[in-house]
Amino acid sequence: DGGITQSPKYLFRKEGQNVTLSCEQNLNHDAMYWYRQDPGQGLRLIYYSQIVNDFQKGDIAEGYSVSREKKESFPLTVTSAQKNPTAFYLCASSPGLAGVYEQFFGPGTRLTVL
Amino acid sequence: AQSVTQLGSHVSVSEGALVLLRCNYSSSVPPYLFWYVQYPNQGLQLLLKYTTGATLVKGINGFEAEFKKSETSFHLTKPSAHMSDAAEYFCAVTLRTGGFKTIFGAGTRLFVKA
Repeated sequence: DGGITQSPKYLFRKEGQNVTLSCEQNLNHDAMYWYRQDPGQGLRLIYYSQIVNDFQKGDIAEGYSVSREKKESFPLTVTSAQKNPTAFYLCASSPGLAGVYEQFFGPGTRLTVL
Repeated sequence: AQSVTQLGSHVSVSEGALVLLRCNYSSSVPPYLFWYVQYPNQGLQLLLKYTTGATLVKGINGFEAEFKKSETSFHLTKPSAHMSDAAEYFCAVTLRTGGFKTIFGAGTRLFVKA
């Protein structure tokens, strides 16, 4: 089955530790995205990538980093510089970056920083 | 500036009643419009989208939405609510011109009473 996988589903980390969230897709999509979801705030874009080895900051990139070494993979690192990292993180992909395409979402990772 | 407003963070209907979830956008040019649904602790799933052509768009699970340019609206409706429709619904907008940016509304949680 084609789709997007995110792992782990739940993640607990101590304050000050970096953590990497995995996102893999087998839809052969060029574009991939990371969103952060907080209650009552909808989805906010952290980073996006249009093509391998290229990525752009979204609205709330501070304290996060990404890489896109393979078309299928777009891992997100939450660094210790992120002041309030506890949230639900969603990865998505689309065939291209143009707005006509809908985005396909993974099941999400809930990160809790203790 | 582009924005998306979903009127009502919570909507409650009885099973079998009409569902109406409101979405208004602000944009200088007609955007691409999307409705997504999210079940608890899951990713988002596309319900329907408007890109061009017929302004009444039919989606999955009996939902439909109508693009009204004069009202800058894209309200989501379903004639008869089912218990399984209980979820959070997000309206999203992407501009047709300029750099890529999809804006998500804050979401409306739909409750369905038996």
